[in-house]
Amino acid sequence: DADVTQTPRNRITKTGKRIMLECSQTKGHDRMYWYRQDPGLGLRLIYYSFDVKDINKGEISDGYSVSRQAQAKFSLSLESAIPNQTALYFCATSEPNSGANVLTFGAGSRLTVL
Amino acid sequence: GEDVEQSLFLSVREGDSSVINCTYTDSSSTYLYWYKQEPGAGLQLLTYIFSNMDMKQDQRLTVLLNKKDKHLSLRIADTQTGDSAIYFCAESPRGGSYIPTFGRGTSLIVHP
Repeated sequence: DADVTQTPRNRITKTGKRIMLECSQTKGHDRMYWYRQDPGLGLRLIYYSFDVKDINKGEISDGYSVSRQAQAKFSLSLESAIPNQTALYFCATSEPNSGANVLTFGAGSRLTVL
Repeated sequence: GEDVEQSLFLSVREGDSSVINCTYTDSSSTYLYWYKQEPGAGLQLLTYIFSNMDMKQDQRLTVLLNKKDKHLSLRIADTQTGDSAIYFCAESPRGGSYIPTFGRGTSLIVHP
């Protein structure tokens, strides 16, 4: 099994619908992240969490919300999806070690909003 | 603020060396990373280097760091078709939140 599992892997939805992307990890890491990838724009941070009681906004949090249900679970919600939220979404985990902060990524969730 | 820049595309012939370049702006002590993203997959760490180092080598991969110019490069020797992927440069400050900032990614295309 993968260390970081994202579901669903692909989703097509309509404008205005509520969508939840789920992430679970077996790494035992405290830190979890949600990134968005768009062609030519690289990865942009949406939200991050350093432990179960900690939630922080990233650079593009508008239109998104998150929930850290347990150390191993971090979900991303789009309350009312819009077409410009069509993108590839990645969940990642990490545990900083002597200063380096190496991220372990899931395989991604491709979301299309029509 | 932090900013990481890299060119979007690189095309090389199989067997040649590939050099992917990156520039960063953070002047504090920092870690610099190279990640690889294969089609349909998430990013995987290739290697990382701390900003007090000049070079790191790991089999076919060589990372060079020019601290004065804030320039990082990844050299892949004897490039193979399996090296075709998107390569991301990233930077994280030593201290604070340690959250990495990623570049836009360089698509490496290896042709026969």
